Amino acid sequence: EPEVTQTPSHQVTQMGQEVILRCVPISNHLYFYWYRQILGQKVEFLVSFYNNEISEKSEIFDDQFSVERPDGSNFTLKIRSTKLEDSAMYFCASSEAGGGRGTQYFGPGTRLLVL
Amino acid sequence: GDSVTQMEGPVTLSEEAFLTINCTYTATGYPSLFWYVQYPGEGLQLLLKATKADDKGSNKGFEATYRKETTSFHLEKGSVQVSDSAVYFCALTHTGTASKLTFGTGTRLQVTL
Repeated sequence: EPEVTQTPSHQVTQMGQEVILRCVPISNHLYFYWYRQILGQKVEFLVSFYNNEISEKSEIFDDQFSVERPDGSNFTLKIRSTKLEDSAMYFCASSEAGGGRGTQYFGPGTRLLVL
Repeated sequence: GDSVTQMEGPVTLSEEAFLTINCTYTATGYPSLFWYVQYPGEGLQLLLKATKADDKGSNKGFEATYRKETTSFHLEKGSVQVSDSAVYFCALTHTGTASKLTFGTGTRLQVTL
């Protein structure tokens, strides 16, 4: 069964460093998403991406964040200068269709720890 | 804006007990509703969904019915197993390009022998 994959599974970084989280969505999916979950809290939407551009972003997704689909398979989230409060589990998701018509399938997550 | 409210956890049940996890939502229009499950140390897995009023989603013995009149999508299972121990998230999304999921806070279920 096709699945969303994410690398790395864990990343530890120093505050102020840049990190890139990678995702390989399901191959025939066209809509891509990033969410995060701070430990013990709810899952929060960060950004959605379709047709090579951002469709929607949350207040969390400020200028420190960017997304890219550098080739036909990868979807990346970059945090330019990490802060302590960026420590969270980051989930990538993809869907074949948008909105309620498309079920979002999630990857296993990347646990980011900023020291 | 949209919001999802779930019952506080943790919920502790004995094996074979009946499970209900309440979920209510606030949203404009007619959102699609979902239950996702997160097993320990894993990511989110779709458990079931319903896309219009009165639809019933079901999977692995779990059921939830989209109730527009009460804006609810309560999760039920007739007989839980230890392997059902996990965190359950209720969520909604709207139609539209790449619409985001709005999640509830999650309800932790612990099933004991």
